Amino acid sequence: AQTVTQSQPEMSVQEAETVTLSCTYDTSESDYYLFWYKQPPSRQMILVIRQEAYKQQNATENRFSVNFQKAAKSFSLKISDSQLGDAAMYFCAYRRANDYKLSFGAGTTVTVRA
Amino acid sequence: DTGVSQNPRHKITKRGQNVTFRCDPISEHNRLYWYRQTLGQGPEFLTYFQNEAQLEKSRLLSDRFSAERPKGSFSTLEIQRTEQGDSAMYLCASSLEQGKYQRGSRADTQYFGPGTRLTVL
Repeated sequence: AQTVTQSQPEMSVQEAETVTLSCTYDTSESDYYLFWYKQPPSRQMILVIRQEAYKQQNATENRFSVNFQKAAKSFSLKISDSQLGDAAMYFCAYRRANDYKLSFGAGTTVTVRA
Repeated sequence: DTGVSQNPRHKITKRGQNVTFRCDPISEHNRLYWYRQTLGQGPEFLTYFQNEAQLEKSRLLSDRFSAERPKGSFSTLEIQRTEQGDSAMYLCASSLEQGKYQRGSRADTQYFGPGTRLTVL
């Protein structure tokens, strides 16, 4: 079974600063996908960024980027130039390549200070 | 595209009662998923449909739970004889299958609905 670990229950960042969220996962697979989802308070979860394990290049989406370290089974999310709207719970998720279900970590709550 | 919708958004029931939730996926999506999320935790997979076929059920889905997706469109999740431990957020997601997996395939994105929050008293 795959497990996803997010070791930071809460993170706080000053507006316009950078914050990095950590995620590690356990798998014996070589092909898989990794995701970061954002869940704002009382709102639905949306995909922030995803990474295919076969790609060596780290994914980026505007102010969001990942540091994917396949050998270390690490997948951190960096939020640059943090904005008030970035405040949310962030979940790291894993999916085996030829599977469909997501395995989520416990989440990290990000607070943005004005 | 109006996104994934779920109804009701909130449900309060007494222990022992039956409840049913509905999920309307994005119209062209052929995959539909149910997850359960308890407070302070990440979502856990419950079950999955490819069109109208239910292809996998998690061991979390006891005999009191049943899900259907008639005609491959909307889906319902029913919980019979609810227990206090069933209190959670029930999330539905949908995606469009990109075809059979091949190395180099792009992962299909799961789009989530707002969830149904169930409280069992």
